[in-house]
Amino acid sequence: AQSVSQHNHHVILSEAASLELGCNYSYGGTVNLFWYVQYPGQHLQLLLKYFSGDPLVKGIKGFEAEFIKSKFSFNLRKPSVQWSDTAEYFCAVNGSGGYQKVTFGTGTKLQVIP
Amino acid sequence: DAEITQSPRHKIIETGRQVTLACHQTWNHNNMFWYRQDLGHGLRLIHYSYGVHDTNKGEVSDGYSVSRSNTEDLPLTLESAASSQTSVYFCAGGSRANTEAFFGQGTRLTVV
Repeated sequence: AQSVSQHNHHVILSEAASLELGCNYSYGGTVNLFWYVQYPGQHLQLLLKYFSGDPLVKGIKGFEAEFIKSKFSFNLRKPSVQWSDTAEYFCAVNGSGGYQKVTFGTGTKLQVIP
Repeated sequence: DAEITQSPRHKIIETGRQVTLACHQTWNHNNMFWYRQDLGHGLRLIHYSYGVHDTNKGEVSDGYSVSRSNTEDLPLTLESAASSQTSVYFCAGGSRANTEAFFGQGTRLTVV
């Protein structure tokens, strides 16, 4: 069975600090990987995704993530966070092929202090 | 992007009552999913469907049912609501070719 672990449950940063959120997955085949963001009171929106190719993926709002297959990791990074990045971030995985359900991690709440 | 519409946005019901949460999508996505979001648990999959007349149980399916009579809709029914089912429910849709999931706005359900 596929699973996703997010080790940081709550992260507090000052504006302009760098961000790295950890994500490790477990799956016995080729995977698709996602990071979603949920702003307060809103639904989930896709930040970025990895299907194949370059393991360094760039998403919206200056976010990027690196797929390291040997470590089963897909960490999210941003060089300089802003107050508007305050949100909850979810890592997710599914098997490639399109018929696979998406499994989410428990989420990381990011609070950016002005 | 696909439009996923959920209704109602908020609902309060009494324990033991039946309630159906609607999910409607406008992009003919084959795949549709229902998740519940709870503090400390993230999103957990309740039921999912890969096409008309196809339904599958997710990791927390007890007490819930779905039906898929057409491509656009996947209603979620709580046959006899329990307080443990107080949660925020999200419907999502996606195509076979593109496995990214698009989410609805969510339904906040309170069982009293």
